[in-house]
This record gives sequence, C-alpha cells and structure tokens, in this order.
Amino acid sequence: DAKTTQPPSMDCAEGRAANLPCNHSTISGNEYVYWYRQIHSQGPQYIIHGLKNNETNEMASLIITEDRKSSTLILPHATLRDTAVYYCIVRVDRSGGSNYKLTFGKGTLLTVNP
Amino acid sequence: KAGVTQTPRYLIKTRGQQVTLSCSPISGHRSVSWYQQTPGQGLQFLFEYFSETQRNKGNFPGRFSGRQFSNSRSEMNVSTLELGDSALYLCASSLGYGLAGGSNTGELFFGEGSRLTVL
Repeated sequence: DAKTTQPPSMDCAEGRAANLPCNHSTISGNEYVYWYRQIHSQGPQYIIHGLKNNETNEMASLIITEDRKSSTLILPHATLRDTAVYYCIVRVDRSGGSNYKLTFGKGTLLTVNP
Repeated sequence: KAGVTQTPRYLIKTRGQQVTLSCSPISGHRSVSWYQQTPGQGLQFLFEYFSETQRNKGNFPGRFSGRQFSNSRSEMNVSTLELGDSALYLCASSLGYGLAGGSNTGELFFGEGSRLTVL
C-alpha cells in the first residue's frame, strides 16, 4: 500500500473550517483514500473514504485532486470535540482478498482552539 | 447496536508472563483485526481474521498469536512478555472480507482498546 505524508500538527479556530492535507503521490489506481481520527485514549474512528470523486458525509468532505496524488479532509465547522489525531491512509481494495491491513502513519494532530 | 467490546480494558503483567486479550465484534461483522499502538511506533497491524482463519499478518514475532471463534469473537495472546510489549492493543471489526464497495464500505470499527503494562 502507498505511503502518505501529513503535517504533524495544525491549529484551527472553533467554528472555522479545518482543512487537513495529505500527500499520497505514489498511490495506485486501485487504492482508496481513507481518513480516520483518534481522540485521546479512544480507538480510531472512521471518517470518510474515496477513490477518485470528492465525497461528503455528515462528518466531513474529502477532496481528491484529479491526479489523485493528494487529498484534503475538510471539517466544515470545527468544534472543540474535533481535537484529535487525523490519519490519512491509502488502501488497496483487493477483490476476494484481505484489505483490512491498514498502514497508519503519524497522522496530524488537529487542535481546535476556542 | 453495540460497538466493539474489548476486555480487559487495563491490565498489568510482569516480564515472562503471558496475556490473553478478548474482542467481541459488532454483531454481524465477520472480520476482526488487531493493532498495537505505542508512542514510539504508532499504530501497527498485528493480524486479521475472517471465518476463523488468519488472512493477514503483520511483522510481529511468533510470541504474538491470535484466533477467531465461530461466533466471530477473537482473542489474541502474547507469550513471554517483554517490557516493549507495553501498549494499547486495539481490535477492529468489519463486515466482510474483500470488497470495499456496495454495502460494505470497508470501514473498520475500533474498540476502546486494552491497555497492557508490562513491569
């Protein structure tokens, strides 16, 4: 699975949009981009994933560049409870094969300030 | 719907002992994965089980083992504990094996973890 590069930390003001970048320049055509976050002392939580198109759900939006070499997770209105480590992961979807081996990097510590 | 349940939440062992951790996946989920999280190495994949079979394995020594039962519950065991085994052990469950499309988004649902301290 391709490696990802994320900034180690970011700050965001409460109520503002948080834009978390991720570089995955070696991504392959069959690799999805997944985002998870981990709030202190809890297990990681799934946020969103995508292949080529931009995606949106109740938690966030995922913007993937046309060449798929990078993506941005957008939390539209960050709250204090969004303070967490955010992981960007690329993962192969192997039909008929295991695809639950996730390779977590260091992630980005997002701190939402009041 | 109940989430992923891991027991025990906290435990303390001494070097040389062995430990067994338990994970009950979300009802209907058939895939269980285990991860180790330490401050130095971050989150590292241990192994994954589906239908009582180990489907994938990370780069950990043979002291780390696991199994899955017919009801999808899983256990992992660490023998001859070392100080470096102190970590948060996380279990994650998922619907199925293989496809990330359709009703199976491929997402993993993590438990709260079992925090192991080796003295």
